Amino acid sequence: GAVVSQHPSRVICKSGTSVKIECRSLDFQATTMFWYRQFPKQSLMLMATSNEGSKATYEQGVEKDKFLINHASLTLSTLTVTSAHPEDSSFYICSARASGVKNTQYFGPGTRLTVL
Amino acid sequence: KQEVTQIPAALSVPEGENLVLNCSFTDSAIYNLQWFRQDPGKGLTSLLLIQSSQREQTSGRLNASLDKSSGRSTLYIAASQPGDSATYLCALTGANNLFFGTGTRLTVIP
Repeated sequence: GAVVSQHPSRVICKSGTSVKIECRSLDFQATTMFWYRQFPKQSLMLMATSNEGSKATYEQGVEKDKFLINHASLTLSTLTVTSAHPEDSSFYICSARASGVKNTQYFGPGTRLTVL
Repeated sequence: KQEVTQIPAALSVPEGENLVLNCSFTDSAIYNLQWFRQDPGKGLTSLLLIQSSQREQTSGRLNASLDKSSGRSTLYIAASQPGDSATYLCALTGANNLFFGTGTRLTVIP
């Protein structure tokens, strides 16, 4: 089946630093990738949708200048949390939608970000 | 906007018991519905996928049903085991994205 990886799986950083999270589709091409955030004891919330080669579409309330998304190829999307603060500590999960397969998303294993 | 609700938020059952998790949604214009399992601090594991035209899907001890007219889905777990302890999320696929429920945290007591 379709496999999506995320790197790193866990990251701890100091407040004010930037953190980059990678999302890769390993065995298929993903024209669309999604980034979700999950705070403790809450469900997943969509942050943004990115299409390969174009700008990401951010959900209301998500700061595009803080959460930079790049989807430069059909197998890689990156989320950069700029100037991270403790309130950005969360579980970030990406998903990828395969080309030609409508509405089927494959999820990555997630990245646990802790900002000290 | 689609709203997805899962009740109960938490459930504890003794090992061996059969149980039902509920998921309700407000907009029946969906492509499919999925049930996921999430272990603490982990990502999502897809359990069952029901297409919009289907009524149910079964996999091992799991059975999921879908009733679009009433905006409901259930996940039935037979003969529960301690290893079933996790948070279960339902998610509906709309035109462009998934809408997740709030989850039910299941604890199966040995």
